[in-house]
Amino acid sequence: LAKTTQPISMDSYEGQEVNITCSHNNIATNDYITWYQQFPSQGPRFIIQGYKTKVTNEVASLFIPADRKSSTLSLPRVSLSDTAVYYCLVGETGTASKLTFGTGTRLQVTL
Amino acid sequence: DTAVSQTPKYLVTQMGNDKSIKCEQNLGHDTMYWYKQDSKKFLKIMFSYNNKELIINETVPNRFSPKSPDKAHLNLHINSLELGDSAVYFCASSPTLQQGRYTFGSGTRLTVV
Repeated sequence: LAKTTQPISMDSYEGQEVNITCSHNNIATNDYITWYQQFPSQGPRFIIQGYKTKVTNEVASLFIPADRKSSTLSLPRVSLSDTAVYYCLVGETGTASKLTFGTGTRLQVTL
Repeated sequence: DTAVSQTPKYLVTQMGNDKSIKCEQNLGHDTMYWYKQDSKKFLKIMFSYNNKELIINETVPNRFSPKSPDKAHLNLHINSLELGDSAVYFCASSPTLQQGRYTFGSGTRLTVV
């Protein structure tokens, strides 16, 4: 399983764009990159998943360079309610796969 | 409707007791999981079932025994509870074994005293 490295914490003001980068130097060919968000006392919530280049949905964008050794989750115009822990996961497709959650990045948004 | 529901939400019990946590998903997913989140917030997979068949069984003490009566339910029974079992246990499901798109329950906070 590819190991991931993320910043432990980040701070932002409301209304700013936040970019959280995850390093995964030993990502395998079949690995996808997935990001989850976790609020206190709740289970993680799927945000976005990608394989290469850029993926965008109504919540976030995911940028993946050509070498795929890192990825960046971009949250546009964050609000106080975006304060949470964000996890980057890298894992194989296919059967009997499993994902390992790293330490995550604790994002604190303030006014 | 709650997609993945766990009961109970909180569980306080004494060392040596046996307890169960129940999980149900109404998403029609084939695969269900149990994760453990410790005090340092690390999330570790414990078990995975696909269509009632055990697929993943991580290095978990055999005091932990999952049971899947059907693909919508995955229960976790814990025997002889120890202080170190205190954690938040999350149930999750995914449409198939395809990785990455899990739907998690809200967790069961187990405290062993």
